[in-house]
Amino acid sequence: AQKITQTQPGMFVQEKEAVTLDCTYDTSDQSYGLFWYKQPSSGEMIFLIYQGSYDEQNATEGRYSLNFQKARKSANLVISASQLGDSAMYFCAMREIQGAQKLVFGQGTRLTINP
Amino acid sequence: EAQVTQNPRYLITVTGKKLTVTCSQNMNHEYMSWYRQDPGLGLRQIYYSMNVEVTDKGDVPEGYKVSRKEKRNFPLILESPSPNQTSLYFCASSLSSLSEAFFGQGTRLTVV
Repeated sequence: AQKITQTQPGMFVQEKEAVTLDCTYDTSDQSYGLFWYKQPSSGEMIFLIYQGSYDEQNATEGRYSLNFQKARKSANLVISASQLGDSAMYFCAMREIQGAQKLVFGQGTRLTINP
Repeated sequence: EAQVTQNPRYLITVTGKKLTVTCSQNMNHEYMSWYRQDPGLGLRQIYYSMNVEVTDKGDVPEGYKVSRKEKRNFPLILESPSPNQTSLYFCASSLSSLSEAFFGQGTRLTVV
């Protein structure tokens, strides 16, 4: 069964610093997708970045990059030059290409950016 | 604008009173799902649909029903709500199994 583990319940970072949010996953499938979502205090779920299991290059989207280490089953999110608006909950999620098409989410990391 | 629209955003109801949370997407997506989010438990899938008239149970389907009569709509029905269904609910849609899911704004439901 698929499983996502986020080991950092909370992180505090100074503005303008880079931050890495950890995510490890477990799956027996060869084909899967990894996603990161941001949930601000207003509650909506905002898609940030996607990495496919067969993608050789790490995904990047603006200030977000995904450090994908397939052998270690790791998909860490890196936010460069953090901003106050980055304060939010961050969820790592995975979806296998077969089966129930569900996104399996980790427990989330609450990121707080200090001025 | 591409979006997933849920209604209502907030709802307080009493135990046993049937309710429906609507979900509509304008992106012609085949895949739609419902999730609930609870503190300490994260987001869990309730039901999903891979196409019109094709629905299946997720991880926590008890007490919920869904239907998919049209591609754009995927309502969530609580026939007899109970307090343990108090939660934040999200509808999501995606083009394929390996594309991102677009989420609705969420529906905060309280059952008293």
